[in-house]
Amino acid sequence: ELKVEQNPLFLSMQEGKNYTIYCNYSTTSDRLYWYRQDPGKSLESLFVLLSNGAVKQEGRLMASLDTKARLSTLHITAAVHDLSATYFCAAAHLYNQFYFGTGTSLTVIP
Amino acid sequence: DAGVIQSPRHEVTEMGQEVTLRCKPISGHDYLFWYRQTMMRGLELLIYFNNNVPIDDSGMPEDRFSAKMPNASFSTLKIQPSEPRDSAVYFCASSMDRPTDTQYFGPGTRLTVL
Repeated sequence: ELKVEQNPLFLSMQEGKNYTIYCNYSTTSDRLYWYRQDPGKSLESLFVLLSNGAVKQEGRLMASLDTKARLSTLHITAAVHDLSATYFCAAAHLYNQFYFGTGTSLTVIP
Repeated sequence: DAGVIQSPRHEVTEMGQEVTLRCKPISGHDYLFWYRQTMMRGLELLIYFNNNVPIDDSGMPEDRFSAKMPNASFSTLKIQPSEPRDSAVYFCASSMDRPTDTQYFGPGTRLTVL
């Protein structure tokens, strides 16, 4: 079974600061997803990373993938309050299921 | 497209009662997933279907849980009898061609068993 670990679990950061969320997975994965969940809401897909060295950016969020290190990062640049949410990574192996991380609860403080 | 549709959005029931959750996947998606989310256990995959056929139900916690997909546009998750520890948010998701394609989640059903 593919195990996925995220850290930190909780992150409180000031507006305007930068920070990185880490996602480690235990065995070979063909693709890595990042999802966002607002309180009381559903999960929304943010990024899918398909190959080693892949980088995707959307606004203040940038995700990257290092398959050799089995590591994905979600970098937050100049955080704003609207980014407060829980962020999940999910690793998947071709023709198999997703394995979700525990989630990182991000709070951006004015 | 309306996205994944789930009903009801909230369900409050008493221990021992039967509960049925419903899901309509995105049209054209071949895969349907049922997840459960709790604070203690996070997001757990319960079961998933491919073209209406259950592929992996190893996440179904007990025989009290059952899931069906009678056609490509409808699935149910049933709990009988329900217990307080079943209280959680249940999400349905669907993906297009492979189980590892992007999964699109429904709004969820918040179940409370008293």
